[in-house]
Amino acid sequence: DQQVKQNSPSLSVQEGRISILNCDYTNSMFDYFLWYKKYPAEGPTFLISISSIKDKNEDGRFTVFLNKSAKHLSLHIVPSQPGDSAVYFCAAGTSYGKLTFGQGTILTVHP
Amino acid sequence: DTAVSQTPKYLVTQMGNDKSIKCEQNLGHDTMYWYKQDSKKFLKIMFSYNNKELIINETVPNRFSPKSPDKAHLNLHINSLELGDSAVYFCASSQEPPWGGGSTDTQYFGPGTRLTVL
Repeated sequence: DQQVKQNSPSLSVQEGRISILNCDYTNSMFDYFLWYKKYPAEGPTFLISISSIKDKNEDGRFTVFLNKSAKHLSLHIVPSQPGDSAVYFCAAGTSYGKLTFGQGTILTVHP
Repeated sequence: DTAVSQTPKYLVTQMGNDKSIKCEQNLGHDTMYWYKQDSKKFLKIMFSYNNKELIINETVPNRFSPKSPDKAHLNLHINSLELGDSAVYFCASSQEPPWGGGSTDTQYFGPGTRLTVL
């Protein structure tokens, strides 16, 4: 039973446009959410996070939105750049437990 | 000066063999993890150590045995390898343990070890 799911295996966008990556979760005990970015042959690297007490967190071109009632979070990248092409993992956790990851979404940004 | 390193990067072996994957972090972190990325691409935690003590032990066959000689190293030994063990294994570290807010603490990942069992 996968508690964190990224239902879009891939996303393709044009450079300069917005990329929206989605993530759904089932465990209402999750109180912290993170996005990781992964390039081929490398490990995931931390991108941005959000606590359950917030509904938005912004860091430069990256914004994460959290909708707790829908158990849904999304990552917006504006404007998208070719260097953003990577696999994006969302993860969720509690302050007393382990992180649970989704299966990732492959983002391709075309020049 | 790689923060989290794993060796080997690729490992191809026969069914039934025993193999080890090594992980080292030079970040001074107290907590280390092993994750398995399965064929469906989910990253799933297997083990976590804090200051050389096992703190997370998921439902993993006991053919998998982690060993932490010191807090900078967490090795993974796998006995009697099976076809289903083929996956990419990632090591990670964080400053805090999960109960100390570690699940909210940034985890730093190694580059992964692709294990192929023939």
